[in-house]
Amino acid sequence: KQEVTQIPAALSVPEGENLVLNCSFTDSAIYNLQWFRQDPGKGLTSLLLIQSSQREQTSGRLNASLDKSSGRSTLYIAASQPGDSATYLCAVPWGGSTLGRLYFGRGTQLTVWP
Amino acid sequence: DADVTQTPRNRITKTGKRIMLECSQTKGHDRMYWYRQDPGLGLRLIYYSFDVKDINKGEISDGYSVSRQAQAKFSLSLESAIPNQTALYFCATSASPGTGASYGYTFGSGTRLTVV
Repeated sequence: KQEVTQIPAALSVPEGENLVLNCSFTDSAIYNLQWFRQDPGKGLTSLLLIQSSQREQTSGRLNASLDKSSGRSTLYIAASQPGDSATYLCAVPWGGSTLGRLYFGRGTQLTVWP
Repeated sequence: DADVTQTPRNRITKTGKRIMLECSQTKGHDRMYWYRQDPGLGLRLIYYSFDVKDINKGEISDGYSVSRQAQAKFSLSLESAIPNQTALYFCATSASPGTGASYGYTFGSGTRLTVV
């Protein structure tokens, strides 16, 4: 069974800092990896989807990288803002599928204070 | 209107009661999922359906059942609710590969269920 681990579990930083959130997975036979954002009491919003053939994916101040061989992905947030405060989750598909069922990490709870 | 709508948003029910959580989507996606989230834990898959005639168990299906009434509707039932089913429940959809639709999941806002 795939195990997805996210470090750190929580992070509190002042506004303006550049951040790195980490995600590791035990089975490197994945087709893609997805990063989500969850606001308190809300559903998840998909931030970035990286295909296994890609090394990076960017959206605004967010940059996600994927290293399948080492079983790692990082989410880089540039110039953090209080509005970035949320829980960030990474997820990989089950059993080598392209999409569909996902295994989720437990998330990194980010607080950005003014 | 939201792409994926879950009802109810909050529900408190008693142990032993039957309860149904409903999900409807306007994304036109074939695939629908029910996940459960417990405090401090990631999401765990309960059931999933890749089309109207396809229903599959996920990681934690015991105590739950589902019905895919139409492409756009997927409901989750707790036949006899117990306190450890207290959790936040999410419905999600995704497109099938090769359909030309964008990849990625769309989640509903969740149903917070409390079993007392």
